[in-house]
Amino acid sequence: QQQVKQSPQSLIVQKGGISIINCAYENTAFDYFPWYQQFPGKGPALLIAIRPDVSEKKEGRFTISFNKSAKQFSLHIMDSQPGDSATYFCAASPYGGSQGNLIFGKGTKLSVKP
Amino acid sequence: DADVTQTPRNRITKTGKRIMLECSQTKGHDRMYWYRQDPGLGLRLIYYSFDVKDINKGEISDGYSVSRQAQAKFSLSLESAIPNQTALYFCATSDIPGTGGWETQYFGPGTRLLVL
Repeated sequence: QQQVKQSPQSLIVQKGGISIINCAYENTAFDYFPWYQQFPGKGPALLIAIRPDVSEKKEGRFTISFNKSAKQFSLHIMDSQPGDSATYFCAASPYGGSQGNLIFGKGTKLSVKP
Repeated sequence: DADVTQTPRNRITKTGKRIMLECSQTKGHDRMYWYRQDPGLGLRLIYYSFDVKDINKGEISDGYSVSRQAQAKFSLSLESAIPNQTALYFCATSDIPGTGGWETQYFGPGTRLLVL
């Protein structure tokens, strides 16, 4: 049973545009929502994360928007750059991830065209 | 991340062979994980270990076994490899989050495995 649904599977954006990746979850016990970024040939790396006590978190050009009532969260990449081209995974976990049970979405391959 | 290393980086094997993938870390973390990545399926947890004496099954442990030889070493074995185990395998580590904190997992560079 997939507990974190991620869309779209792939995304093409022009340089300078906004990239938006969406995720939805069912388990109301989830309280930790990280996004991981993976470049080709590399392992994933934590990009940004949010707890449900806030509706938005921004780090540079990357913003997580969180809608607790809808059980949805999304990643927005402003002013997308070719260097942002990567695969992005949303994830969710209860207890801040402290139990080691991080559930990943299926990933979104982002291509930013020059 | 050079703090988490995986060997080999690429491996081709035949159906029925036993193989071992190794992971070492210099981050001093107690927690280690093995994931499998398949196109369109994301990352799925195979096994995880919170310390040397602790081993836990993940979502897809069938056909795999692990060994935690030391705090810094966590190995994944395929006892009898089959073609549908062809995938990209990642090791990850994490530290115990502090009170109110959250966990960050640090991934190795991956091992690409092809089972013929």
